[in-house]
Amino acid sequence: QSVLTQPPSVSGAPGQRVTISCTGSSSNIGAGYDVHWYQQLPGTAPKLLIYGNSNRPSGVPDRFSGSKSVTSASLAITGLQAEDEADYYCQSYDISLTGFYVFGTGTKVTVL
Amino acid sequence: QVQLQESGPGLVKSSETLSLTCTVSGGSISNYYWSWIRQPPGKGLEWIGYIHYSGITSYSPSLKSRVTISVDTSKNQFSLRLTSVTAADTAVYYCARGPGTGGYFDSWGQGSLVTVSS
Repeated sequence: QSVLTQPPSVSGAPGQRVTISCTGSSSNIGAGYDVHWYQQLPGTAPKLLIYGNSNRPSGVPDRFSGSKSVTSASLAITGLQAEDEADYYCQSYDISLTGFYVFGTGTKVTVL
Repeated sequence: QVQLQESGPGLVKSSETLSLTCTVSGGSISNYYWSWIRQPPGKGLEWIGYIHYSGITSYSPSLKSRVTISVDTSKNQFSLRLTSVTAADTAVYYCARGPGTGGYFDSWGQGSLVTVSS
């Protein structure tokens, strides 16, 4: 069960800036848990893109940036490139029930 | 750099048990948490559960009654058992390192497609 909501799709021309929202609630993002982002290229496993709301692992271009608000988070891609066409998922922790790790519904980024 | 590789049957009959193993190479399984995550065809990601190398486990509430994750530190492997499978359990199953104290998954296997047949 996904309790983090993302837009199904976003698109942009090469060089443009796109943003992906991740909306949660008081039992996950709003409870203070960090948000992380993953990129899944077609036919491959997800790859950690942003951790701890805004940190990039080594090797991730600085075109990717993350931010967090009260009950939501956002991923921004600036200078969009063809290789950025992929699915993107946010992830956090939810304290409802017995607690569990939760992923967002996913967003398909299309480079026009 | 740590690498993870899933292995196990690609086809399981309905009502039977799904079993997968993840082999960790390039690093020790010790001192980390290790998870199983699945993705039904064309759908999103779902966390199944994790195990710490010490044997501590945590499972998704929606799957808890059917899931067991175990670890074999001598073989640098951890495993997933999912009982009483149905077509809804058809998915690509990923093993991953995490969630550590940061709560994220930083290394993933390539995934293993498991199809549940009737």
